[in-house]
Amino acid sequence: DADVTQTPRNRITKTGKRIMLECSQTKGHDRMYWYRQDPGLGLRLIYYSFDVKDINKGEISDGYSVSRQAQAKFSLSLESAIPNQTALYFCATSEGTSGPTDTQYFGPGTRLTVL
Amino acid sequence: AQKITQTQPGMFVQEKEAVTLDCTYDTSDQSYGLFWYKQPSSGEMIFLIYQGSYDEQNATEGRYSLNFQKARKSANLVISASQLGDSAMYFCAMREWGSQGNLIFGKGTKLSVKP
Repeated sequence: DADVTQTPRNRITKTGKRIMLECSQTKGHDRMYWYRQDPGLGLRLIYYSFDVKDINKGEISDGYSVSRQAQAKFSLSLESAIPNQTALYFCATSEGTSGPTDTQYFGPGTRLTVL
Repeated sequence: AQKITQTQPGMFVQEKEAVTLDCTYDTSDQSYGLFWYKQPSSGEMIFLIYQGSYDEQNATEGRYSLNFQKARKSANLVISASQLGDSAMYFCAMREWGSQGNLIFGKGTKLSVKP
């Protein structure tokens, strides 16, 4: 089984709908992250969490919210989806103990289309 | 200013030959980490290799090595003996010590391996 799983893997929704993307991990890592990737671009950070009680905004948090339900679960919500939120969304985890070389491991991604 | 620059949008390499993917970075931190990820057409982000700013030896992982030139602020990925399965997007990323763990990504290089 994969260490980092994301559900759903693909989702098509309509403008104005609320949608939740879920991430679970079995790596036992404290830190979790949500990124989005737009065609031709690298990844940009939306939110990150260093533990259940520590949630922080990333570079592009507007229009998104998150919930860290447990060490292993981190959900991303789009309260009212809009077409420019169409993207590939990645969840990632890291151990958080090895200084600047703290490696992030990514889930398989969720491809979201907002019509 | 961009913190991670990958100047090669696309590259071709003959199967079994070596290839170097360029990455330059910009930081004023003394402590930082540099990472390379592979993204095949299926979409997942696969961690390949990392280098810490204080590491004196270049990192190696199997056929992957990181040519780290600190004074030039470059962290090029070298893939030896290219295989058809190496065809993918490759992203360079940096984590600055003061950034609370956020990874900053370049825009990627698309590598195509010719048979």
